[in-house]
Parts: sequence; C-alpha cells; structure tokens
Amino acid sequence: DQQVKQNSPSLSVQEGRISILNCDYTNSMFDYFLWYKKYPAEGPTFLISISSIKDKNEDGRFTVLNKSAKHLSLHIVPSQPGDSAVYFCAASPISNFGNEKLTFGTGTRLTIIP
Amino acid sequence: EAQVTQNPRYLITVTGKKLTVTCSQNMNHEYMSWYRQDPGLGLRQIYYSMNVEVTDKGDVPEGYKVSRKEKRNFPLILESPSPNQTSLYFCASSWLPERSQFFGPGTRLTVL
Repeated sequence: DQQVKQNSPSLSVQEGRISILNCDYTNSMFDYFLWYKKYPAEGPTFLISISSIKDKNEDGRFTVLNKSAKHLSLHIVPSQPGDSAVYFCAASPISNFGNEKLTFGTGTRLTIIP
Repeated sequence: EAQVTQNPRYLITVTGKKLTVTCSQNMNHEYMSWYRQDPGLGLRQIYYSMNVEVTDKGDVPEGYKVSRKEKRNFPLILESPSPNQTSLYFCASSWLPERSQFFGPGTRLTVL
C-alpha cells in the first residue's frame, strides 16, 4: 500500500517556466513532509520541508505548498536546466508516535527543456 | 566535509555468495538507515538503527542483516543474495529519523 503517492512519473517543462510536482498521502498521522532531489549516480539530497501546521514554505526558487487535504506540491520558479532530476516526496508521522521514519513516494522525473 | 560513504559503488555477484556493503558517516548522527530503490517503487526502507547496538526492521527486511557496533558504521549484509535483491541501495543518516536525512552515493548491486 503506497502511503505517499507521486502520480506523475515524469514531467517536462520549458526553461524559465514554473514546474509543479505533486504529492498525495493517505496516512493522516503524517505531519511533516520533505522533498528530495536526486541526480543520476548520486544519492538523494534534501531540498525543502514543511510541517502540517504551515501552508507554505519558500527557499529561493523552491516553494512547497500544503493547502489541500492530504496533498502538497513543490513549485520551482523559474525552472532551470540544472533542475532536471528525480524528485521524491517523503512524509513522516507525528513525533513520539512510535514509528518515526520517512516514507517515500515513487518519484517524479523532471526534465527542463532549454 | 560532512558525508555518508558507501562501498562498493558497484557490485556484480552470483546467487548465494555472501556480501557486505559498508556505510560510514562522519556527522556523529545517531540514526542510520538502509533503503533500496527500484523502478516504480521509490525508496523503501530495509533496516534502521536508532543508536549503537539498536537496530530494527524497515519495510522490506527479508534477506538482509545489519549491525551497528560503532556509531559511524552501519554495514548491510546479504548472507545469501538472490536475483530479486538486484537493486540500487542507499545508506542514510540523520539526527532524527523523521527529519531530513543525508544519503550516501548509492551502491548498484546486480545478483546473477
């Protein structure tokens, strides 16, 4: 049972435009969400995170939105060729719930077209 | 430089030949974890460790063993590898299990 879902396996966006990557989750105990970026032949690297009590977190060109029930999105504006990578959404439950760990989605491959 | 290192980076082996993938971190993190990445399945946790001598199963532990004798090291052991363990493996570490983790560069394992 996939508790964190990234329903778009791939996404192509023109350079300079906005990239929107989506993530849905089913477990209502998740309260902290992270995005990771992965280049080929490298491990995932942490990009940005948000807690469930916030509806927005920005870091430069990257914004994560948490405005819909059990849905969050990562916005990249403007998109650059170096943003081409696989993006993983991850979620973790409320601390001290007894099952603290990250649950990852299946990833979305973003390709920025020059 | 803060990092998680894994060795080897690439390994081709045969069914049943025991192997160990090493993982080491230099950030004094208490939490370490092993994941495998497979197409269409994302990253799935194999085993994790909350501290020295404390390990527990993740979502897909069958066929794997781990040990945590030192804080910095967390080796992944495949006693009798099988072809369904062909995958890309990542080690990760962090201060807290539910927060951002640092990942190693990955080990691509092929079991023939």
